Amino acid sequence: NAGVTQTPKFQVLKTGQSMTLQCAQDMNHNSMYWYRQDPGMGLRLIYYSASEGTTDKGEVPNGYNVSRLNKREFSLRLESAAPSQTSVYFCASNLKPGTSTFGSGTRLTVV
Amino acid sequence: KQEVTQIPAALSVPEGENLVLNCSFTDSAIYNLQWFRQDPGKGLTSLLLIQSSQREQTSGRLNASLDKSSGRSTLYIAASQPGDSATYLCAVSYQKVTFGIGTKLQVIP
Repeated sequence: NAGVTQTPKFQVLKTGQSMTLQCAQDMNHNSMYWYRQDPGMGLRLIYYSASEGTTDKGEVPNGYNVSRLNKREFSLRLESAAPSQTSVYFCASNLKPGTSTFGSGTRLTVV
Repeated sequence: KQEVTQIPAALSVPEGENLVLNCSFTDSAIYNLQWFRQDPGKGLTSLLLIQSSQREQTSGRLNASLDKSSGRSTLYIAASQPGDSATYLCAVSYQKVTFGIGTKLQVIP
């Protein structure tokens, strides 16, 4: 099925560990995004990539890095996980603003 | 800085009732406004997209309106069903997308 695929769906990390969240889309979208969703705060943009080879910071980029590997894939890396990064992470993609397709999310717990 | 507010935060209604969810935003400079549905533990599903030049959009039992000058949008759900139970999110787009926190809807059979 066409759409946005995120892996893994669930992850538990210890403080200080690193990991990469993977995202891939097969809709030939130019733009891709990483959001985090926390209770009472809505979705907040971490990083985005307007096109292959470009990335930009969003609202809450500290503690994260991203890689736009190719047009399909956009990964989010936590170099040294902290409990404050416990959240649900969503990847999204679109051709133009306001028409995003979202993945099903990665639920990350940092202990 | 754009801020999006959704009222109420939670709503519980009996099946069959018509209901309205509200979304307000502080900056009227937007490209479009989108309503999403989110089921527990799931991603976001787009319901309706209203361009800044439009006043409303309809899809089945859903109707969304947009008053850009006053910074308001409403999502009207007709003849609510238990399957409508979910969290409904509003998002406005300009140079970036700003989301509201959502309204958690429960439709009681």
